[in-house]
Amino acid sequence: QSALTQPASVSGSPGQSITISCTGTSSDIGTYNLVAWYQLKPGKAPKLMIYEVSKRPSGVSHRFSGSKSGNTASLTISGLQPEDEADYHCSSYVGSDDWVFGGGTKLTVL
Amino acid sequence: QVHLVASGGDLVKPGGSLRLSCAASGFTFGDQYMAWIRQVPGRGLEWLAYVGTTGSTIYYADSVKGRFTISRDNAKNSLYLQMNGLGAEDTAVYHCATLRPYWGAFEYWGQGTLVTVSS
Repeated sequence: QSALTQPASVSGSPGQSITISCTGTSSDIGTYNLVAWYQLKPGKAPKLMIYEVSKRPSGVSHRFSGSKSGNTASLTISGLQPEDEADYHCSSYVGSDDWVFGGGTKLTVL
Repeated sequence: QVHLVASGGDLVKPGGSLRLSCAASGFTFGDQYMAWIRQVPGRGLEWLAYVGTTGSTIYYADSVKGRFTISRDNAKNSLYLQMNGLGAEDTAVYHCATLRPYWGAFEYWGQGTLVTVSS
């Protein structure tokens, strides 16, 4: 399976909203509503932010939301805060007990 | 509070072997599917393997099938990854994580342990 495609970087100012895209194919994102988003910060364990395209685990801020259209999933962070600065990785289940990840997007809060 | 601590990462020569461990606490380990995921520095994540609650259900990514073996010991709240035939492409930070199969997502992660394959 090929990796999902994410932009290498995005940036925004505090209070703004940003959206990170994650493009796959009809074999992964286009077929399964099992897209997840993870937040990675240096020295910390990765954190699940979104699962099943748009669901938030307990404890994740409502400022984080997910969506999907066709073969592309998106993560939107509203009311950007300095602590949101991190790398964000998407993943999709692709069937046959297999998963594929994106290359990650570095979010900079200006 | 869920706590996962991966250990065992080291510098190993090409063709060598290494066994990683993951100590779990803060939840009922035997009730959770577990997985290993790695990240090559500066690159994306890669799912490697997962094991069901009893250890009888196991799946591997094609990239590690036949070389890596995942296992668990519920009595010790521990997850393992035996890695054989290591190559430079296996250099990465290895994370253990809980897997929610119906979510299609890896819920809780450990910080990871660094494996470097180099002569």
